[in-house]
Amino acid sequence: DSGVTQTPKHLITATGQRVTLRCSPRSGDLSVYWYQQSLDQGLQFLIQYYNGEERAKGNILERFSAQQFPDLHSELNLSSLELGDSALYFCASSAASGSGADTQYFGPGTRLTVL
Amino acid sequence: GEDVEQSLFLSVREGDSSVINCTYTDSSSTYLYWYKQEPGAGLQLLTYIFSNMDMKQDQRLTVLLNKKDKHLSLRIADTQTGDSAIYFCAEIRTTSGTYKYIFGTGTRLKVLA
Repeated sequence: DSGVTQTPKHLITATGQRVTLRCSPRSGDLSVYWYQQSLDQGLQFLIQYYNGEERAKGNILERFSAQQFPDLHSELNLSSLELGDSALYFCASSAASGSGADTQYFGPGTRLTVL
Repeated sequence: GEDVEQSLFLSVREGDSSVINCTYTDSSSTYLYWYKQEPGAGLQLLTYIFSNMDMKQDQRLTVLLNKKDKHLSLRIADTQTGDSAIYFCAEIRTTSGTYKYIFGTGTRLKVLA
């Protein structure tokens, strides 16, 4: 158990809908990262928040947004969902801002299925 | 290019050594990582190596880094069935002062009893 929790575990929804994925980092960790893992794209970094502020951005679509709240939990919002958004979405957390050997601890993931 | 490359599959017999290879792209990457993903689970950090090192050993794991060729490898000694998983290498890329993790395609290791 990494100490990172994600809810829900599974989510099934229809195209065009909007969903929110939630992540609670390990106690004391200030950074939260979001990743998307799909069969065709592999594991892709989406976005990082550090202590409430956006720190780094990866291949995140404009239809997706995230935020980190004062209690350091984070939410990833996915809107206007398409079939291709079906994937496993991982959250990870780390103690600091993410440079160098700042170990990332991964949550169990949320499996999103868009029908 | 953007991609961090790994071979897709590796099959070894229990007790043999496994070597998983990775080719990364950014010569300025300061840290390189190996993660393990078991079925239905998230990624678990196995080990990492700083770019000024050639080798790092941690129990059954040996990481070799060839900076000139941008080649990273993970050797697992005395491979066990519990080592069956997908292994990802990752590099950290710096762009305009921010850091981004780029993961490889993953190598699925199957250990035969």
